[in-house]
Amino acid sequence: EPEVTQTPSHQVTQMGQEVILRCVPISNHLYFYWYRQILGQKVEFLVSFYNNEISEKSEIFDDQFSVERPDGSNFTLKIRSTKLEDSAMYFCASRPRQGRTSSNTGELFFGEGSRLTVL
Amino acid sequence: QKEVEQDPGPLSVPEGAIVSLNCTYSNSAFQYFMWYRQYSRKGPELLMYTYSSGNKEDGRFTAQVDKSSKYISLFIRDSQPSDSATYLCAMSGNTGGFKTIFGAGTRLFVKA
Repeated sequence: EPEVTQTPSHQVTQMGQEVILRCVPISNHLYFYWYRQILGQKVEFLVSFYNNEISEKSEIFDDQFSVERPDGSNFTLKIRSTKLEDSAMYFCASRPRQGRTSSNTGELFFGEGSRLTVL
Repeated sequence: QKEVEQDPGPLSVPEGAIVSLNCTYSNSAFQYFMWYRQYSRKGPELLMYTYSSGNKEDGRFTAQVDKSSKYISLFIRDSQPSDSATYLCAMSGNTGGFKTIFGAGTRLFVKA
């Protein structure tokens, strides 16, 4: 069964360092997302991406964050200068093309996450 | 008012019980409704997906959506200890790249 894959599974970094989290969405999906979950808290939307541009971003997604789809398969999240409060699980997700029927167009599939620890 | 409200629990039930989980929401533009199961330090796993109002059944799981009341439910029949996890409701509309908003999650414990 197709799945969303994320690397690394765990990254430890020093405050102020740049981090890149990588994702390979499901191959025929067109919408891509990053979510964050601080330990013990809810899953929070960061950014949605479609047709090579950001569709929407949350207040969390400030100038320190950027996303990129450098080729046909990878989708990356970059944090330019990490802060202690960036420590969290980061989940990549993707969904199929939006069609005219209700079949499966709303389903959102998640990867296993990348755990980021900022020291 | 939060966009999606979900009681975080914890909810503890004996094995074999029927579990009822629910969420309320405020955004009438939501059309796609999902339930996810999440184990500790793992990614959310899609359990049920419903478009607009109605019921959907899959094995021991039944999802219900009542858009007029802005209320969604997940029922688990014959609950098993392996069902112990956090259950997240999630929903989206057609805007913002179909941005999906999550509830806080309900922690469920099924005791053997």
